[in-house]
Amino acid sequence: KQEVTQIPAALSVPEGENLVLNCSFTDSAIYNLQWFRQDPGKGLTSLLLIQSSQREQTSGRLNASLDKSSGRSTLYIAASQPGDSATYLCAVSSYSGAGSYQLTFGKGTKLSVIP
Amino acid sequence: EPEVTQTPSHQVTQMGQEVILRCVPISNHLYFYWYRQILGQKVEFLVSFYNNEISEKSEIFDDQFSVERPDGSNFTLKIRSTKLEDSAMYFCASLGTGNQPQHFGDGTRLSIL
Repeated sequence: KQEVTQIPAALSVPEGENLVLNCSFTDSAIYNLQWFRQDPGKGLTSLLLIQSSQREQTSGRLNASLDKSSGRSTLYIAASQPGDSATYLCAVSSYSGAGSYQLTFGKGTKLSVIP
Repeated sequence: EPEVTQTPSHQVTQMGQEVILRCVPISNHLYFYWYRQILGQKVEFLVSFYNNEISEKSEIFDDQFSVERPDGSNFTLKIRSTKLEDSAMYFCASLGTGNQPQHFGDGTRLSIL
């Protein structure tokens, strides 16, 4: 059974700092990996998707890497801003047969960026 | 940009009552999902739906739960007889193809009294 772990559980940084969030998963047979942002009481906003064959994806100040063989991904946020404060979730997609690419989520890293 | 919409945003129900949570997935998507998140816990997979049938379900998705896509646009989750432990945020998601991102709705907060 796939397990996803995110470290740290919470992180507080001053504005402008670069930071790294970590995600690990136990079963390397993934289809892809997705990073989400969740604001309190809100839905999930997709940030980046990395296919299992890719090593890296970038979107603006965000860069996600994937090392499938070691079961790890990192999300790098450059020049953090107070608006980046949210919980960041890592989720891996597993293909379990016809018609299912369900996601297994980590518990998230709660990020606070202090002005 | 197309989005997944869920109604209602908040549902309060007495224990033992039936509830139906509604979702309108993105129109050209083929795969549909329900997930739930109990307060302070991980987002958990409940069920996936493809080609008009359930393709996968978790151990949480017992006989009290059912899903339907009645008219080609709506996707519903029914809980037959709610329990206190069903209180959670329920998210609907849809997917075009396997190598695309899943798109999530804003969720329905279900509170069982």
